This record gives sequence, structure tokens and C-alpha cells, in this order.
Amino acid sequence: EAGVVQSPRYKIIEKKQPVAFWCNPISGHNTLYWYLQNLGQGPELLIRYENEEAVDDSQLPKDRFSAERLKGVDSTLKIQPAELGDSAVYLCASARDRTYNEQFFGPGTRLTVL
Amino acid sequence: AQSVAQPEDQVNVAEGNPLTVKCTYSVSGNPYLFWYVQYPNRGLQFLLKYITGDNLVKGSYGFEAEFNKSQTSFHLKKPSALVSDSALYFCAVRELYSSASKIIFGSGTRLSIRP
Repeated sequence: EAGVVQSPRYKIIEKKQPVAFWCNPISGHNTLYWYLQNLGQGPELLIRYENEEAVDDSQLPKDRFSAERLKGVDSTLKIQPAELGDSAVYLCASARDRTYNEQFFGPGTRLTVL
Repeated sequence: AQSVAQPEDQVNVAEGNPLTVKCTYSVSGNPYLFWYVQYPNRGLQFLLKYITGDNLVKGSYGFEAEFNKSQTSFHLKKPSALVSDSALYFCAVRELYSSASKIIFGSGTRLSIRP
């Protein structure tokens, strides 16, 4: 089966510009996660979806970050406007459902904000 | 609150020798524990998990981990290291039976296997 697909793999933007990341989870996986990973750190959860519902977005900086998963399949994470401190790798992961904690991760999008 | 600690930023082992990557955790109730591996420019890959039962859990690529409740540890082990095992390893924990809890990842340990 195909794995979690993320695009783009790399993105370089200037501060104050908007940016969007796209994720397509493994087919049939109802749970989708967005994580932020800083260099030398473990992933930190930004938001978790169960189908199309965002059930945990407590760590998402809502003043500039937004996410959607309209049809309960693929998802988009947006930053507007981007700040220098947003430079990081943004990981998407999926799981069959909430009880299956084996998450399958995509390769990530490396964002550089200049 | 849940937490997980990986006390070593880097572990260096000679090929063919046994390896151990340490992990300790803290949860209010029973833990659900994981190990993931990350190769350069790739996402994390699941290695193994512990829920209940046998304290020694076997996973992918010959890795195993031992759950020790009294020491709140879940160290990753392999009897004979390969150069290809060189990667970044993450321990993670979630509180079992708590629908509100989320997985917390450690800061990672870089494993370097020298030929």
C-alpha cells in the first residue's frame, strides 16, 4: 500500500508570506496528525483529526496556523503569515483509528523562513 | 502530566556489539510505549510497542525493548548492531485507557554504529 504522501518536500519563503502543506494519508486511515519537528527534537503534536473533525488542536497557534480536512481524507496545514521561528519540519501521520497508535509518518515538509 | 526522557543525545557502538538506547517515562496510569526510528530526510518509522503482557517486546529489524515498571523504563536493545542501524531513535508514551491523552515523543537519541 502507498504510504503517507506529503508535498512539497521543501519550501523556502520570506517572513510574512503565507505557506501551505498538503498531506494524503494511507487509504482507510481515519486518524490524521500534523506534527512540528524542530532540529534535534522529537515531533510535537499540532492537531489531530478523527475523520473530518479536529479533536485535538490545543497546540495549534491559531492566530497564524489553520488546518482543514474537509472530506476526511487529505488535509492541508496553512501558516499565514509565516515567522522566522516557524522554520522546522512539518510531519503528517495517519493511523487506522484512535485506538491504533502505530502511526505511519510521511517524509515531512522542511520549511525555511528567511 | 505525561513525559518521556531520553537521557543520551548520542550513543556510539561498534558493529557487532550489543546496543542499548535508554528511555524513561512518566504517566499517571498505565503506559502505552513506543519506539520509532528516523532515517535522514525521512519520516519516523514504527519499530515496536508495549501495551500489556510480556515485558520483553520484539520489533522490526531485530530490535527489542524491555518494559520495567519499577524503574519506569523502556530501553531499546539489539544483540548485534549493524552499520545500517545508524539513525535517530525516538521513544514515545501515551497513557493507556485515556482517550484524552496524546502521544508524547522524547527528544531523540542519535545512534552511530562504527564499522
